[in-house]
Amino acid sequence: EDQVTQSPEALRLQEGESSSLNCSYTVSGLRGLFWYRQDPGKGPEFLFTLYSAGEEKEKERLKATLTKKESFLHITAPKPEDSATYLCAVQADKLIFGTGTRLQVFP
Amino acid sequence: DVKVTQSSRYLVKRTGEKVFLECVQDMDHENMFWYRQDPGLGLRLIYFSYDVKMKEKGDIPEGYSVSREKKERFSLILESASTNQTSMYLCASSLRGAQPQHFGDGTRLSIL
Repeated sequence: EDQVTQSPEALRLQEGESSSLNCSYTVSGLRGLFWYRQDPGKGPEFLFTLYSAGEEKEKERLKATLTKKESFLHITAPKPEDSATYLCAVQADKLIFGTGTRLQVFP
Repeated sequence: DVKVTQSSRYLVKRTGEKVFLECVQDMDHENMFWYRQDPGLGLRLIYFSYDVKMKEKGDIPEGYSVSREKKERFSLILESASTNQTSMYLCASSLRGAQPQHFGDGTRLSIL
């Protein structure tokens, strides 16, 4: 059965303390992996698409990487405004979402 | 930038009412989707559409129907609202194939 698992469920960081969020997947025929950011009471905001193992994408303090079994979202020197829930979604025959990592960054 | 607009941010309806949720996208996307999002359950797909007048059931279609009469507009209909349909409803669109989906800001629907 196709599955997407995100860890940790929640992460508390001090401002400036770098860390990584994990998205592991088991799907037949990966067609793409997407990262989203979701603020409370709003819809998910698209961040990155990764299509093949070894691919990397960067945007400001965020960097997404992909292997054949998992993806990482690295956050370098986070700021309080990076606090949000980060969702991973994998496109196989259909799009499968993980349940997200809730990130809190404290000043 | 892609813009997906949902007609209401908050909506309160009564049990048994017929409820319409509207979604419009402005980027000529082929695909449109309706999800609901509940704490602990994540995003669940209700219905999707790959073309005008075309619809496909998602994972939880029971109690819902959809309409896509124009390419840019996708409506979700709760035929007879029930309290277990209280949720955040999210509309999304994508260009085609394995392109990323872009979401609206959601409608928080309460059924009393």
